Amino acid sequence: GDSVTQMEGPVTLSEEAFLTINCTYTATGYPSLFWYVQYPGEGLQLLLKATKADDKGSNKGFEATYRKETTSFHLEKGSVQVSDSAVYFCALTNSNTGNQFYFGTGTSLTVIP
Amino acid sequence: DSGVTQTPKHLITATGQRVTLRCSPRSGDLSVYWYQQSLDQGLQFLIQYYNGEERAKGNILERFSAQQFPDLHSELNLSSLELGDSALYFCASSVGAVSSYEQYFGPGTRLTVT
Repeated sequence: GDSVTQMEGPVTLSEEAFLTINCTYTATGYPSLFWYVQYPGEGLQLLLKATKADDKGSNKGFEATYRKETTSFHLEKGSVQVSDSAVYFCALTNSNTGNQFYFGTGTSLTVIP
Repeated sequence: DSGVTQTPKHLITATGQRVTLRCSPRSGDLSVYWYQQSLDQGLQFLIQYYNGEERAKGNILERFSAQQFPDLHSELNLSSLELGDSALYFCASSVGAVSSYEQYFGPGTRLTVT
């Protein structure tokens, strides 16, 4: 079945460091891919998405490119801030398999000043 | 504030009991999604409704049921509760039926089963 595998955390970085959180997926056809962010005590918020191969999603300095050949959707940011501290979830949905959502386990990011 | 409201914020109940969680979607959104977030299972998609009809089903137990009413609010009913049902339950809404639309999440209902 469909699934998402996400880099284990927690991740701790200094402010202005480069961030990569790896995400790979298993799915038939062409799923839509998402990154969601969850700040402490809050619900999830959509960070970015890509709905077809080679699409790049971007928002608030974060980017991820839908790579069909490597079945990946890695999240990157060139210079993290303390305010980026949160849990990040990679997710997919697939019309081939009933439009269910599949989430990764989440990666906790802490950015220290 | 996402515009999605969930009540109650917290719920504490005993094993074997039944509870109802309520969700009001953002104005104009026709889809409602329910998720369960727990430490051991992570974030699990339960079910989606679109304009009153079930649209997609995930890992929802038979003891759980949901519905979406004509005013588009939704309720998630959990019965014969077990300790393992303790979790944060999120509702999300989106404008369309297709799952690639952006979902807006509510603040969640924390359920504790004792």
